[in-house]
Amino acid sequence: GQSLEQPSEVTAVEGAIVQINCTYQTSGFYGLSWYQQHDGGAPTFLSYNALDGLEETGRFSSFLSRSDSYGYLLLQELQMKDSASYFCAVRGDSNYQLIWGAGTKLIIKP
Amino acid sequence: KAGVTQTPRYLIKTRGQQVTLSCSPISGHRSVSWYQQTPGQGLQFLFEYFSETQRNKGNFPGRFSGRQFSNSRSEMNVSTLELGDSALYLCASSPGTDLAKNIQYFGAGTRLSVL
Repeated sequence: GQSLEQPSEVTAVEGAIVQINCTYQTSGFYGLSWYQQHDGGAPTFLSYNALDGLEETGRFSSFLSRSDSYGYLLLQELQMKDSASYFCAVRGDSNYQLIWGAGTKLIIKP
Repeated sequence: KAGVTQTPRYLIKTRGQQVTLSCSPISGHRSVSWYQQTPGQGLQFLFEYFSETQRNKGNFPGRFSGRQFSNSRSEMNVSTLELGDSALYLCASSPGTDLAKNIQYFGAGTRLSVL
């Protein structure tokens, strides 16, 4: 079957750096995406990796290693507003359907 | 540009009833996807429509159905509601032409409670 694994919860301190990992097992691979969802809100797109390496967007970076079927989202200079759930999603072979991880709840402490 | 609009925002139904949810995508977007989200769960894919055709379907029973109109607006219908159908239903639109990247833009969702 197709699946994505990510930690259910991560805790970090305001101002610190945190990494959220995602490993995937899918038939085919067309890219790894990350989305952020605040409690009661809608998911919003953060980043996309199709090739190996690091993509940086401000305080957020996303990394992909296709040989390891692994990626991560790196959040720097954490702010309280970064408290949210983060989802990784992979587009696989099956009609390009987007497969989602169960999400990682990021808890930030002052 | 206006974002993705879902109506209604909240719904309360009883078991056995049916419900129809509506989604208006971003102007120019031709793909609409529907997801079910329950507390603490990820997004469970229901189906995707592109240019009025169902392009993808998730692993949900036939009680869940959808359609897309020529203006790209989409509806989702759930018949014979069960208690387990209580969830947040999210609609996402995308241009639909870049199948690989295909960034999804989500609406605020419809929260359905089945009593």
